[in-house]
Amino acid sequence: DAKTTQPPSMDCAEGRAANLPCNHSTISGNEYVYWYRQIHSQGPQYIIHGLKNNETNEMASLIITEDRKSSTLILPHATLRDTAVYYCIVDSGGGADGLTFGKGTHLIIQP
Amino acid sequence: KAGVTQTPRYLIKTRGQQVTLSCSPISGHRSVSWYQQTPGQGLQFLFEYFSETQRNKGNFPGRFSGRQFSNSRSEMNVSTLELGDSALYLCASSPPSVRGLTEAFFGQGTRLTVV
Repeated sequence: DAKTTQPPSMDCAEGRAANLPCNHSTISGNEYVYWYRQIHSQGPQYIIHGLKNNETNEMASLIITEDRKSSTLILPHATLRDTAVYYCIVDSGGGADGLTFGKGTHLIIQP
Repeated sequence: KAGVTQTPRYLIKTRGQQVTLSCSPISGHRSVSWYQQTPGQGLQFLFEYFSETQRNKGNFPGRFSGRQFSNSRSEMNVSTLELGDSALYLCASSPPSVRGLTEAFFGQGTRLTVV
């Protein structure tokens, strides 16, 4: 079973920040939080990952709570092309034993 | 640089037949993983290869097998196809990392339909 809980769907207005929450209350000390997204009919795309510090790259920011039991992926200025299913995954090796995908959050960006 | 390439993109097979899918990883990536995606079960890990050796395997029957060649290209084979094997099969490659795998780069997938 996936070790994460995400809302099944979310809406966000184009141009606004999209904040996607993820609960991972049973995360272990050596497990990272990874985010991937899957645009319809394409393969998943890596977005970002982190251990305990907040992380930022050209795509998104990842905010991890101090107790590491939850995190938030932030897309700062959502566009229509960000409409996708977003998966939050906890993993100690980045996929060596296979990534465990849950059902993810279907993010819909509204014009 | 070129991404992960999967061939063919679409395939239709008959129950009982076998099928071979191909995956060419990103240049320099030695780890290749395979996943099955269906509407009911979502994305599920099949197996992972590194330097021509299967390192990890998911919970799939023995009809599902794979191999990796010396150039890191990988194939997966499904024998005695069943209707339930209809799915999107995704391949992912990962770069070398001191800690282990860091991120996976996925191909566009092969859509297999079993009739």
